[in-house]
Amino acid sequence: NAGVTQTPKFRILKIGQSMTLQCAQDMNHNYMYWYRQDPGMGLKLIYYSVGAGITDKGEVPNGYNVSRSTTEDFPLRLELAAPSQTSVYFCASSYSTGQGYGYTFGSGTRLTVV
Amino acid sequence: GDSVTQMEGPVTLSEEAFLTINCTYTATGYPSLFWYVQYPGEGLQLLLKATKADDKGSNKGFEATYRKETTSFHLEKGSVQVSDSAVYFCALTETSGSRLTFGEGTQLTVNP
Repeated sequence: NAGVTQTPKFRILKIGQSMTLQCAQDMNHNYMYWYRQDPGMGLKLIYYSVGAGITDKGEVPNGYNVSRSTTEDFPLRLELAAPSQTSVYFCASSYSTGQGYGYTFGSGTRLTVV
Repeated sequence: GDSVTQMEGPVTLSEEAFLTINCTYTATGYPSLFWYVQYPGEGLQLLLKATKADDKGSNKGFEATYRKETTSFHLEKGSVQVSDSAVYFCALTETSGSRLTFGEGTQLTVNP
């Protein structure tokens, strides 16, 4: 089915470890985003991309890195994992109009850092 | 900057009760407004939207009206069902931008 695919669904990391959260979309959307969802806090934007080769910081970028080498893929890299990065991570993509109604969300990655 | 504020705390209702979830916003321009729903273990799905003042978005029995004078976009449903149990997020985008700004989310539980 067309949409946004995130892997893995669950992961436990030890403090200081690194990992990459994968995100792929097959809708040819220009815009892609990474959000984190903390309990009672809504979703906060980590990084976003307006097209291949272009990325920019969101509200909470510290401790993360992204790349966008293709239209389809937008991986999120965690270096030196910390307990504060325990969260649910959502990847999303949208139409180039950026009006929000074109957003499609992945099913999320639940990350625990211990 | 832009912000969205939703009513505090979880909401618990009996089946067929009337639902209101309050949402107010702060924005510098003329935002588009959205309600998203998140069912347990799933990602967010668009529930309804409104792109200009006085527009009413509606879907699956839910409604919300874009009120510029009160900067509000309250979600309502006349008769909730157990299957409506989920987390509801109010959100906005500025007309010139692509990024969604979310409220804190409201957990709705509907009991039979």
